[in-house]
Formats: sequence, C-alpha cells, structure tokens
Amino acid sequence: EMQLVESGGGLVQPGGSLRLSCEASGFPFSDYYMDWVRQAPRKGLEWVGRIRPKANSYTTEYAASVKGRFTISRDDSKSSVFLQMNNVKTEDTAVYYCAYVGGYVGGTSAVDSWGQGTLVIVSS
Amino acid sequence: DIQMAQSPSAMSASVGDRVTITCRASQDIGNYLAWFQQKPGKVPKRLIYASSTLQSGVPSRFSGSGSGTEFTLTISSLQPEDFATYYCLQHYRYPLTFGGGTKVEIK
Repeated sequence: EMQLVESGGGLVQPGGSLRLSCEASGFPFSDYYMDWVRQAPRKGLEWVGRIRPKANSYTTEYAASVKGRFTISRDDSKSSVFLQMNNVKTEDTAVYYCAYVGGYVGGTSAVDSWGQGTLVIVSS
Repeated sequence: DIQMAQSPSAMSASVGDRVTITCRASQDIGNYLAWFQQKPGKVPKRLIYASSTLQSGVPSRFSGSGSGTEFTLTISSLQPEDFATYYCLQHYRYPLTFGGGTKVEIK
C-alpha cells in the first residue's frame, strides 16, 4: 500500500521560503512520478506540480501560479520528494498534499494515493 | 491551460436521489478525466478514472461517462456517506487542472 507522509509546513512571512518534505513507502518510489497538490482554506484543489522519475530525467512540470518560485526535487535513496517554496505570497496559504495522482499525459494508472497534507500559512 | 467548468457548484439532494454532476473542458481531452470525492477535513479520494472506470473499492452507485469536452459523474441513489464535495481533474495536458468542485448537501 502506498503511504505518503508530508512534513515541513508552518508559518512563513511573505517573501520568505519554506521546504516541504514527503516520505513515501510501500511502493517502488524511484519508478514513480510524484505530485504536489494544494488546497487553500475553504477553496478547491489546485495541482502544483510534478516530478518524473530518473527514467524521465527527473523532469518537472508546474502550474503557472508557482512557476519560477517553487521547485520540486526528489531523493530516491530516501524515498522522498520535496517542495521548495521561495518568495511565498499570502495566496500560497494552503494545505499541501504530496500525491501520486494516477493520471498522466497519455495514460492513467489504476493507483492513486495522497498524503494527509501539511498546512502552510503565509502571513506577516 | 485547459479550463474545467464544473456544474453545479452546489446542490441539495435527498437520500435516494439520483445526482448528476457535469464537467466541461475548454478543449478536447479525450477520456483523460478523473473524479474525486472529498469529505470535510479529509483527503481527496479518486472515484473514477479514464472517464468511466470505477476505482477499486468504490461502490457501483457511482458511474462516469463522457469523452471529448463533456463529462458526467452520476450517483444512482445518494447515500448519507455521499454528502461531500466532488472534483473533476483533466490530465490530457500540463498543467493538470481541476474543476471548481460541486458540494452535495443534504436537503
């Protein structure tokens, strides 16, 4: 069973930085792409970005709202994926989910898994 | 970016009702569409993928249909545990995009 556990959320000032982590278990992590999805308070879901596995050169995709400010990386030796958030804005306040969203350009996986989320509050 | 227009944004229904939620894509996305259910304070759960394939373990009262630009999630007989918010997601093209959500409330 895929398990994803996020950490690193908290309070950060506008313009500041924060790094979220997600530790995975229960599946061959190094073979999988990984996603970050966020949900602002009382709002809908927003896909943040994706990092592909080594076989796809660890390439990344991002939503326009975070491109150039957020960076997704991974450490396969630790079965972990990270979200580096720089120059954060108040509108980045949200619960951030680490996920394997079982849909990709050109296909679909029968598996779909989400962590419990970690709350990021951007406020002065 | 591909826009996903989900309707209605909210609805009231009774136990036993047939419920239909629609997502319209701003361009043809084939069948690269999934439906998620989220209950308050809980993690989203995928119900349907590839437009019409039921996720393992999901009750058969849930069904999905559509292709191209118009998609539908149907709950054939609403149960108390189905009161939640539902989202569609397209993964035809990056960035992946969700619909705005449909909150299904008790009438």
